[in-house]
Amino acid sequence: SQKIEQNSEALNIQEGKTATLTCNYTNYSPAYLQWYRQDPGRGPVFLLLIRENEKEKRKERLKVTFDTTLKQSLFHITASQPADSATYLCALDFGNTGKLIFGQGTTLQVKP
Amino acid sequence: EAGVAQSPRYKIIEKRQSVAFWCNPISGHATLYWYQQILGQGPKLLIQFQNNGVVDDSQLPKDRFSAERLKGVDSTLKIQPAKLEDSAVYLCASSLWTDSEAFFGQGTRLTVV
Repeated sequence: SQKIEQNSEALNIQEGKTATLTCNYTNYSPAYLQWYRQDPGRGPVFLLLIRENEKEKRKERLKVTFDTTLKQSLFHITASQPADSATYLCALDFGNTGKLIFGQGTTLQVKP
Repeated sequence: EAGVAQSPRYKIIEKRQSVAFWCNPISGHATLYWYQQILGQGPKLLIQFQNNGVVDDSQLPKDRFSAERLKGVDSTLKIQPAKLEDSAVYLCASSLWTDSEAFFGQGTRLTVV
């Protein structure tokens, strides 16, 4: 079965630096991949979607890359702020059916 | 635009009791999902509806969990009887299409004692 791995250890960075989060998967590539942000006690909030034929997507300070050879997606937050502190989840749809399989999430802590 | 509404927000029950959760998705969204999120883990899909019909319920423990989507709009998820390992946050989400972003509700935190 498909496995999705995100860094289980929390990522601690200084304000203003770029945060880079990793999402790795096994076996075959998904039709598309999404990134979500989740704050404590709240549901996930959609950030970006990237399809298998796309290499990179940007939205304001956010950038997502998708490398089907490495079976990996990277999520970057540039000029990070303490307000960016949250858990970030990657979610993959392998059959283009809307069935999202989530990674376990990586907690980001941005220190002022 | 109103978001996905869920109730109740919190629920504490004893094992072997039953419980039901309610979800009202964003108006016009054809796809509705129920996810289970155990502390420290990512959400796990329990069931996916497309309008009235079930698209995927492969990970729904059907001996104790049931779900329905009424007239292709609201949905309820029921657990009967509950076990200790059902303690989790139950998230409802909806999306316009199957390959578009999902909008999540705040979730229902269930504690089984």
